[in-house]
Amino acid sequence: AQSVTQLGSHVSVSEGALVLLRCNYSSSVPPYLFWYVQYPNQGLQLLLKYTTGATLVKGINGFEAEFKKSETSFHLTKPSAHMSDAAEYFCAVSDSGGYQKVTFGIGTKLQVIP
Amino acid sequence: DGGITQSPKYLFRKEGQNVTLSCEQNLNHDAMYWYRQDPGQGLRLIYYSQIVNDFQKGDIAEGYSVSREKKESFPLTVTSAQKNPTAFYLCASRNLATTDTQYFGPGTRLTVL
Repeated sequence: AQSVTQLGSHVSVSEGALVLLRCNYSSSVPPYLFWYVQYPNQGLQLLLKYTTGATLVKGINGFEAEFKKSETSFHLTKPSAHMSDAAEYFCAVSDSGGYQKVTFGIGTKLQVIP
Repeated sequence: DGGITQSPKYLFRKEGQNVTLSCEQNLNHDAMYWYRQDPGQGLRLIYYSQIVNDFQKGDIAEGYSVSREKKESFPLTVTSAQKNPTAFYLCASRNLATTDTQYFGPGTRLTVL
């Protein structure tokens, strides 16, 4: 069984400040890990993913995340928040099997304060 | 222009009526998925299909039905048996051979009055 915990359903940061969205996972097999972003009334857009290899992955819009196996974490960061980053962010974990069941976290809404 | 389309964007239905949500993709993806999104609950898998004429139940299939008669289409029917159908519904697809990533459509917001 696999699961995802996103700490903080709402996070507020000032424009220009560091963005840190936390994600911890549980998986019985080596996981694939994803971060998606969702703007209001829209679908999910892939920000970045970790499958194998380098544990620090860079994504779109200046976001990056680091896979830390010992901490079972995959936190999302961005050095300087922009107003356009205000959205909901979902962490997801999947196995590497053919079906690839994906389990999503409950999401974190990011508010950027001018 | 490749992608996943869902229609309509907003849908209103009376209680007790069946309603069908459309999902079409021109990405030539093998697998397609339906998720339901409710505030504070993330995404929950309703049904998925990896090949034409075959589909499997997800975690919350009760009250829903699907078909996969064509590779590019995976419509979802919300039946009157679904006790709380008002939600945001998202369709996704994936190329099983070349990618580990699911790509999402823009979603349909269903409101049952």
